[in-house]
Amino acid sequence: GENVEQHPSTLSVQEGDSAVIKCTYSDSASNYFPWYKQELGKGPQLIIDIRSNVGEKKDQRIAVTLNKTAKHFSLHITETQPEDSAVYFCAASKGSNYQLIWGAGTKLIIKP
Amino acid sequence: SAVISQKPSRDICQRGTSLTIQCQVDSQVTMMFWYRQQPGQSLTLIATANQGSEATYESGFVIDKFPISRPNLTFSTLTVSNMSPEDSSIYLCSVEGGVGVTDTQYFGPGTRLTVL
Repeated sequence: GENVEQHPSTLSVQEGDSAVIKCTYSDSASNYFPWYKQELGKGPQLIIDIRSNVGEKKDQRIAVTLNKTAKHFSLHITETQPEDSAVYFCAASKGSNYQLIWGAGTKLIIKP
Repeated sequence: SAVISQKPSRDICQRGTSLTIQCQVDSQVTMMFWYRQQPGQSLTLIATANQGSEATYESGFVIDKFPISRPNLTFSTLTVSNMSPEDSSIYLCSVEGGVGVTDTQYFGPGTRLTVL
């Protein structure tokens, strides 16, 4: 079946450095790729998303890149801050369906 | 984006009992979803709730265990029936976008359920 692999499971970076989280999807028909941030005790919050007709999207310190050929997309966070510490989930649409296939999550730790 | 609230925010229940979780949205939405998130894990879709029709359940989830209501375009409930400790999880409601926004899902704060 369809799946999304997410790496790494834990990422520890120094404050001010960049963080990169990578996901690979299996369904070649997937056309929507959101990223969510989940802080402790809260629901997932959408931070950025990208559609298959775009290769890159940026929003301030956050960017997402998509390589459709390789079925690979990545989240880039620059100039990391303590408040970036959270669990990040990637997801891919089930084809063009509204349903999402979720990655396993990455715990991002920002060291002061 | 839609503003979503859930009640209760947390509960501790005895095995064999049932709990109904409410999800309220501040705008009309077509698609509402119920997820389960076990501690330290990713999200698992339980069912999709559309107004005016039966909920669509994912493999491994059945209506008798997780009955869902969707009486209008801003509200849904999920009941966890005949609970056991294995049902201890975070239960999340999400909605799809809104007018002119497809695919994007927005989540409520979750209901943290502990079954003793």
